[in-house]
Amino acid sequence: GAVVSQHPSWVICKSGTSVKIECRSLDFQATTMFWYRQFPKQSLMLMATSNEGSKATYEQGVEKDKFLINHASLTLSTLTVTSAHPEDSSFYICSAKWDRDTEAFFGQGTRLTVV
Amino acid sequence: KQEVTQIPAALSVPEGENLVLNCSFTDSAIYNLQWFRQDPGKGLTSLLLIQSSQREQTSGRLNASLDKSSGRSTLYIAASQPGDSATYLCAVGTGGFKTIFGAGTRLFVKA
Repeated sequence: GAVVSQHPSWVICKSGTSVKIECRSLDFQATTMFWYRQFPKQSLMLMATSNEGSKATYEQGVEKDKFLINHASLTLSTLTVTSAHPEDSSFYICSAKWDRDTEAFFGQGTRLTVV
Repeated sequence: KQEVTQIPAALSVPEGENLVLNCSFTDSAIYNLQWFRQDPGKGLTSLLLIQSSQREQTSGRLNASLDKSSGRSTLYIAASQPGDSATYLCAVGTGGFKTIFGAGTRLFVKA
């Protein structure tokens, strides 16, 4: 299957700083990428959908000014957690599709710990 | 709004048992359905993908079925092994490209 690479796999940052997570589709052009968040022992919650070259669409309750998403090319999307706080500590996973009815391919996830 | 429910939430079985995990979704207008496995603290491993026009998919000891009209899918695991212990997630592909997840079933297979 297609490969989606997410970096870093884990990061620890101080409260108040910003953290950027990258998501790359290595062998296909991803028209659309998605960002999910997963708290311990809970399922994946969709945060936002990003299409290349346009603004991301955020799910209800997700602060767009706190979670900045950029999808500058067909192979790269970034999620920046701004002014991170301990409650932002979570597992963040990206996924990518090249078409509506194709399989969703997922990155390995990034574990963010804010101290 | 699409909602995905998985039953049971947790399951503990002895090694060798055949088992069935259930997934239901509220909106039958789906493009596909995927089953994933997630080990503790890890990312997702895709197990099976069923397109909306298909009824089932098989991979080794795994068989997934899809009844779109009734909004249900099942994942059948044959001859379970301790290595099958993980959380199994059902996810539906909806209009607008979104993939919506269920809460998962935590499976523990006892040796």
